[in-house]
Amino acid sequence: QKEVEQDPGPLSVPEGAIVSLNCTYSNSAFQYFMWYRQYSRKGPELLMYTYSSGNKEDGRFTAQVDKSSKYISLFIRDSQPSDSATYLCAMSSQTGANNLFFGTGTRLTVIP
Amino acid sequence: ETGVTQSPTHLIKTRGQQVTLRCSSQSGHNTVSWYQQALGQGPQFIFQYYREEENGRGNFPPRFSGLQFPNYSSELNVNALELDDSALYLCASSFGTDTYNEQFFGPGTRLTVL
Repeated sequence: QKEVEQDPGPLSVPEGAIVSLNCTYSNSAFQYFMWYRQYSRKGPELLMYTYSSGNKEDGRFTAQVDKSSKYISLFIRDSQPSDSATYLCAMSSQTGANNLFFGTGTRLTVIP
Repeated sequence: ETGVTQSPTHLIKTRGQQVTLRCSSQSGHNTVSWYQQALGQGPQFIFQYYREEENGRGNFPPRFSGLQFPNYSSELNVNALELDDSALYLCASSFGTDTYNEQFFGPGTRLTVL
């Protein structure tokens, strides 16, 4: 079993839709949770960062963490064609190196 | 401020050869982490260098090795290349090794092993 599971999609939505992306994990030591966006032929860029359980909002993006269920989500409101990318969840336990454990990524296409 | 840069962009090698990939960290960053991203997969942690010393290693064999230089740039070396080593190799730099230190990723080097 992988430590981080993510539905690879692909996910295709019309412009303006609400998008929900999810990951589950098995390591209860994970304390830091991140969402990265990766455009084709580019490196991942950090979108959202959350410590422990709770919600965090940044513009059209909301990240949720439920540590009791080992489940994290990213919501994108009013999706735009420029949101079309692969979204990767990542998490870390802060033991030793701050290495990140990534999900497989969900490929999102927002249709104009 | 210059971001993370990697060279070369693309590379084609044959099985059994050796390869060196290079990464220049973002200005002011002293930590470099390397990740392997196979097609359709998320990045997997290879190792991290902090102030020229290895600071952690993922589940990769010893034929994956690295260096960090005094200017904090870094190299990833892979010996005895295998077909499964074909992937996008990403480096990420940060200021420090704490998890709250954001890791900034470069565009990656795409390695193809034939």
